[in-house]
Amino acid sequence: DQQVKQNSPSLSVQEGRISILNCDYTNSMFDYFLWYKKYPAEGPTFLISISSIKDKNEDGRFTVFLNKSAKHLSLHIVPSQPGDSAVYFCAAILNSGGSNYKLTFGKGTLLTVNP
Amino acid sequence: EAGVTQFPSHSVIEKGQTVTLRCDPISGHDNLYWYRRVMGKEIKFLLHFVKESKQDESGMPNNRFLAERTGGTYSTLKVQPAELEDSGVYFCASRGGTGELFFGEGSRLTVL
Repeated sequence: DQQVKQNSPSLSVQEGRISILNCDYTNSMFDYFLWYKKYPAEGPTFLISISSIKDKNEDGRFTVFLNKSAKHLSLHIVPSQPGDSAVYFCAAILNSGGSNYKLTFGKGTLLTVNP
Repeated sequence: EAGVTQFPSHSVIEKGQTVTLRCDPISGHDNLYWYRRVMGKEIKFLLHFVKESKQDESGMPNNRFLAERTGGTYSTLKVQPAELEDSGVYFCASRGGTGELFFGEGSRLTVL
C-alpha cells in the first residue's frame, strides 16, 4: 500500500513555462517532505524540502507547497529549463526529529522540458 | 569531498548465485542507508546503520539479504541466493548528524 503517490508518471512542458509536479500522501503522521531529482544512471539528489509546520518553501526557481488538510504537496519550477529534465521523486518522513530519517518515496514523475 | 560511492555499478548474475554490493559513505557520516528501486516502482527503504549497528532493518525483504557494516565505515549488502525478483537498482545513502541524505549512483543488479 503506497503511502506517497505521484499519479503522473510523466510531464512535458515548454522551456520558460512553469512545471508543476504533484504528490499526495496518506499518512497524516508524516512531518517532513522532500523532493529529489534524479538523472539517468545517477543517484537521487536532494532538491528542496518542507516541514509540516509550513505551507511554502522557496529556493530560487523551485517552490514547494504543502496542503496538510488535503495531504498534498506540489513542486513548482519556474521558469523551466531543459536541464531540469529528470525524474522527480517526492518523499516523506515520519518523526523527522528522530534518529532514523527513513524516507518513503513516491514512484517518481519524469519531467521533460522542451527547448 | 568524495560523495557516496557504490560498487559495482552493474552486476549480472544467474538465479541462485551470490552477489555482494559495496557502499562507501561520505567520510564521517555515521548514518548509512540502503534503498532499492525495482523497475517501475518506488524507491524503497531496506535498512539503516548507525555506525556499525543496525538501527532499522524493517525493509529487508527476506533472509536472503544480509547487510554488514564492520567498523562503521563501508557497508556490504549480500544477496544469497539471488532470485529473479531481486533485480533492481540498489542505492546507498549516507547522512551526517543532521542535514539531508546523500545518495550514491546505485548498483544495478540483473538476475537472469
